[in-house]
Amino acid sequence: EAGVAQSPRYKIIEKRQSVAFWCNPISGHATLYWYQQILGQGPKLLIQFQNNGVVDDSQLPKDRFSAERLKGVDSTLKIQPAKLEDSAVYLCASSPRGGTSNEQFFGPGTRLTVL
Amino acid sequence: AQKITQTQPGMFVQEKEAVTLDCTYDTSDPSYGLFWYKQPSSGEMIFLIYQGSYDQQNATEGRYSLNFQKARKSANLVISASQLGDSAMYFCAMRDLQGGKLIFGQGTELSVKP
Repeated sequence: EAGVAQSPRYKIIEKRQSVAFWCNPISGHATLYWYQQILGQGPKLLIQFQNNGVVDDSQLPKDRFSAERLKGVDSTLKIQPAKLEDSAVYLCASSPRGGTSNEQFFGPGTRLTVL
Repeated sequence: AQKITQTQPGMFVQEKEAVTLDCTYDTSDPSYGLFWYKQPSSGEMIFLIYQGSYDQQNATEGRYSLNFQKARKSANLVISASQLGDSAMYFCAMRDLQGGKLIFGQGTELSVKP
C-alpha cells in the first residue's frame, strides 16, 4: 500500500513570495490533515478535511494560508505572501475516518525555508 | 483546553538498556486516545503505539510499551532493549473525543549510545 505522498520535499523562497504544497493521501482515506512543525516543536494542526469539506481550520492563518481538497482526494496548501516565521516543515497526514483510535499516517513532509 | 507535556528535551541511553520517556496530559474529555510517534532525522512521523482512555491494560507493541496511569494523567513510553536505530525525536500526542486533530507535545530527543 502506497503511503502519503508530498511534494516538493524542499522549498526555499524569499519573503512575500507565494508557495504551494501538494499532498496525495493513502487511497480511500477520508480524512486529511495539514500540520505545521516549526523547528524544535511538535506539529500543530493547520487544517483538517473530511472528504472535501473542512472540519477544523481554527489555527489556519487565513489572511495568508489557504487549502483545498478537490474531489476529496489530493490537497494543496498555499501560502501567499510568505513570512519569515512560516519557515517550517509542513506535514500532511491521512486516516481512514475520524475516531479517537484511528492512527494518522504521515507523509515525508515539505521543508520550507523563507529568506 | 487539551495539553501534552514532555519535560525531557533530551535523553541518553546505553544500547540494549531500557528507557522511559515521560508524557503527561490534560483534558476534560472522558474519551480520548494517546499516541506515541517517532521522528527520525529524515523527518517522517512513524506511529509507535496507541492507548485508549478506556483501555484496561497498558498497550504493548514489540519493544514499545505504554505505562498508562490515568489518575496521574501520564502516558510514558518504555522502550526495552534500546537499539542504535532508536535514536530520534519522540512525540507524545492526544486525540480528542471527536477524533480529530492530534495535539502534540514538544518532543524528547533520544540518543542511544553504543
